[in-house]
Amino acid sequence: DGGITQSPKYLFRKEGQNVTLSCEQNLNHDAMYWYRQDPGQGLRLIYYSQIVNDFQKGDIAEGYSVSREKKESFPLTVTSAQKNPTAFYLCASSTGDRVYGYTFGSGTRLTVV
Amino acid sequence: ELKVEQNPLFLSMQEGKNYTIYCNYSTTSDRLYWYRQDPGKSLESLFVLLSNGAVKQEGRLMASLDTKARLSTLHITAAVHDLSATYFCAVGLTGGGNKLTFGTGTQLKVEL
Repeated sequence: DGGITQSPKYLFRKEGQNVTLSCEQNLNHDAMYWYRQDPGQGLRLIYYSQIVNDFQKGDIAEGYSVSREKKESFPLTVTSAQKNPTAFYLCASSTGDRVYGYTFGSGTRLTVV
Repeated sequence: ELKVEQNPLFLSMQEGKNYTIYCNYSTTSDRLYWYRQDPGKSLESLFVLLSNGAVKQEGRLMASLDTKARLSTLHITAAVHDLSATYFCAVGLTGGGNKLTFGTGTQLKVEL
């Protein structure tokens, strides 16, 4: 079945550590996105990519980095520069056709310990 | 900068009652989406609204779009407990590529 897979489901990070969240899709979608969700809040855009080997900063990119070496994959690294990384991270993809909107992965819950 | 506001933020209602969630946005848009999120889960697509006057219905939920007023509504008819969830609207800028800006969400609790 086609879809988006995020892993891991839960992740714990120590202070000063970099961690990488995985996002893989087999929908053949060109565009991929990373959003952050804090409790009781909406989704805020971290990074997005509309094509392989190209990506743009979203509204809250500081402390995060991404790569898009393959169409299927869009990993997000939360660096030590991100001072408050505890949140729920959602990856999404789209065809670029506005008729369909986004397809979301199941999310990764990151906690700083 | 596109801003998307939803109200109310929290809604507690009894089964069988009707209510409306509002989504206002600040600049011209050519598409609006409604999503549902259950606690700790991902977002599920509910409706896609692409033109002024668009109305979509699925079960007890009906969404509409007024692009002139920059307003979308999600109407709940005869609520049931299974509709308890957080509902988000998301708006795309005209000519803004594929990026969507999400509202803050409306947390709906339907009491048995």
